[in-house]
Amino acid sequence: DIQMTQSPSSLSASVGDRVTITCRASQGINNYLAWFQQKPGKAPKSLIYAASSLQSGVPSKFSGSGSGTDFTLTISSLQPEDFATYYCQQYDSFPLTFGGGTKVEI
Amino acid sequence: EVQLLESGGGLVQPGGSLRLSCTASGFTFGSYPMNWVRQAPGKGLEWVSGLSSRSTKTYYADSVKGRFTISRDNAKNTLYLQMNSLRAEDTAIYYCAKNRQRWEPSEFDDWGQGTLVTVSS
Repeated sequence: DIQMTQSPSSLSASVGDRVTITCRASQGINNYLAWFQQKPGKAPKSLIYAASSLQSGVPSKFSGSGSGTDFTLTISSLQPEDFATYYCQQYDSFPLTFGGGTKVEI
Repeated sequence: EVQLLESGGGLVQPGGSLRLSCTASGFTFGSYPMNWVRQAPGKGLEWVSGLSSRSTKTYYADSVKGRFTISRDNAKNTLYLQMNSLRAEDTAIYYCAKNRQRWEPSEFDDWGQGTLVTVSS
């Protein structure tokens, strides 16, 4: 199975900050990497697929980059509605696997 | 607008069974693979199972293989998860998630709101 490791597990930030979250796969995943946002008590929301492509309706302040085994999610200017937990996921092969999550707090 | 509505969750004793449903609307259900993903209380996301659009291929996490069965009825626009031999560690919110592409594996795009399964005596 492919292991996904996210860092940090949590971070504190302020409104307006630029935030970067890292995700590392235990082997190459051909850029089949997705990012999700989850707010407390809510279902996950799909943000990015194929490492850098925005899902429909997702604002451009979210961006993804990376290749091979190392990927990043960047939020360009943090807004109050962006405080949430973010997960990466590989979909290169079954079983699909998620990172442990990064909680973005004030 | 795509809508995915899970149902069937509840309290069940260890060793018991439960069947979850996910009713879909707003897209051609029979054209897309579907998945179940769960989240234990206070924990992260765990993919549970996936199913091809015509039910020809099934995929399972090792943690549920042999106990859970995924299926679908394309005429009823509904995805199912039959859960047998339930354990305390199966306690979680169960979400259904739609593939964005018509093949698997692929990225997800839409998620349901989830249904809570609690396994306890």
